[in-house]
Amino acid sequence: GENVEQHPSTLSVQEGDSAVIKCTYSDSASNYFPWYKQELGKRPQLIIDIRSNVGEKKDQRIAVTLNKTAKHFSLHITETQPEDSAVYFCAAINAGGTSYGKLTFGQGTILTVHP
Amino acid sequence: NAGVTQTPKFRILKIGQSMTLQCAQDMNHNYMYWYRQDPGMGLKLIYYSVGAGITDKGEVPNGYNVSRSTTEDFPLRLELAAPSQTSVYFCASSYPGRDEQYFGPGTRLTVT
Repeated sequence: GENVEQHPSTLSVQEGDSAVIKCTYSDSASNYFPWYKQELGKRPQLIIDIRSNVGEKKDQRIAVTLNKTAKHFSLHITETQPEDSAVYFCAAINAGGTSYGKLTFGQGTILTVHP
Repeated sequence: NAGVTQTPKFRILKIGQSMTLQCAQDMNHNYMYWYRQDPGMGLKLIYYSVGAGITDKGEVPNGYNVSRSTTEDFPLRLELAAPSQTSVYFCASSYPGRDEQYFGPGTRLTVT
């Protein structure tokens, strides 16, 4: 089955700096890679996703890049703000077929943005 | 739409007690999932369902049971609660082919 490794486990940055979180996956058939943000005591919420036919996707201050050859994808947050402080999870799936939408999640990264 | 709802929000159980965590969604999603999230850890899949009457085990199913009698509801049953089941439980749903999972607000369960 799929295995997703996420690094770093904790990340501390100053407000305005950039933050990068990296994930690697094992199943070359995986083709959908979402990123979820979970604020303290809240539910995980999708912030951005990318499919395997795209190398990069941006949405305002966040972007995700995908390297299919190396089987890794990354979340980039620019101009970080204190409200970006949260736990971030990456995930991977071979969407379609018999996956039934089952995501394999990384272990999470605790991002702290200091004012 | 209310999205995915869960009840209760908090619960304290004694060892050996049983309870049912409720989950409902009003988005007509076929796929539903139960996860547990231990402190400082990621999400582990307990059970999932692809439609009414169809359920299957995930990564950590021991000590739990599920049923899916309707598209909307997907309750999780804990029998003989153990301290190892202390966790936050999230229900989620998705639509086939759309891939994004929508999470409920979670149930924080403590077993003492």
